[in-house]
Amino acid sequence: AQSVTQPDIHITVSEGASLELRCNYSYGATPYLFWYVQSPGQGLQLLLKYFSGDTLVQGIKGFEAEFKRSQSSFNLRKPSVHWSDAAEYFCAVDDSNSGYALNFGKGTSLLVTP
Amino acid sequence: EAQVTQNPRYLITVTGKKLTVTCSQNMNHEYMSWYRQDPGLGLRQIYYSMNVEVTDKGDVPEGYKVSRKEKRNFPLILESPSPNQTSLYFCALFSPLTGYTFGSGTRLTVV
Repeated sequence: AQSVTQPDIHITVSEGASLELRCNYSYGATPYLFWYVQSPGQGLQLLLKYFSGDTLVQGIKGFEAEFKRSQSSFNLRKPSVHWSDAAEYFCAVDDSNSGYALNFGKGTSLLVTP
Repeated sequence: EAQVTQNPRYLITVTGKKLTVTCSQNMNHEYMSWYRQDPGLGLRQIYYSMNVEVTDKGDVPEGYKVSRKEKRNFPLILESPSPNQTSLYFCALFSPLTGYTFGSGTRLTVV
């Protein structure tokens, strides 16, 4: 079955440390790829997206992600985490490449310690 | 900039009492969809629409209806809500330039 996998349910990092959140998908073609962030009680904010072209994508808040076709991965990275980055992070994949079939991973909860 | 407006933000209702959650966009995008978010299950698509009068089921459509009589509005209808429909609901639109934009969410409690 087609799926989006975020292997880490919870991640804890120290403030100032680097971060990598993993995302793998099982769709055959190159889909549209997204990362969203959700703070407690809030909605979904788009961090970055990949449609085509350069496989290293820059987003907001200092985040970046790299699409690796051979590994079917779209991992999210940040070189130095801030306490305000604590939130839930969702990877999402649109395998229709059209705008009507967005599938989400189950999310990774990020805790930032002092 | 595309915006999605959902109402209400919070709703508490009783089992069996019909309700509608409204969703509107400020642009003229064709694709709109509804999702529900539950702890441990992530977000799952309920219904989507590709244009006026064109709708189709997502992954979890049971107990829900939608309509798309005009491009800007895409309401979610629960004809007879049940407690298992207690959830956080999001409406979204798709733009070929910016991807998916989500509304602020509607937290529904069915007692």
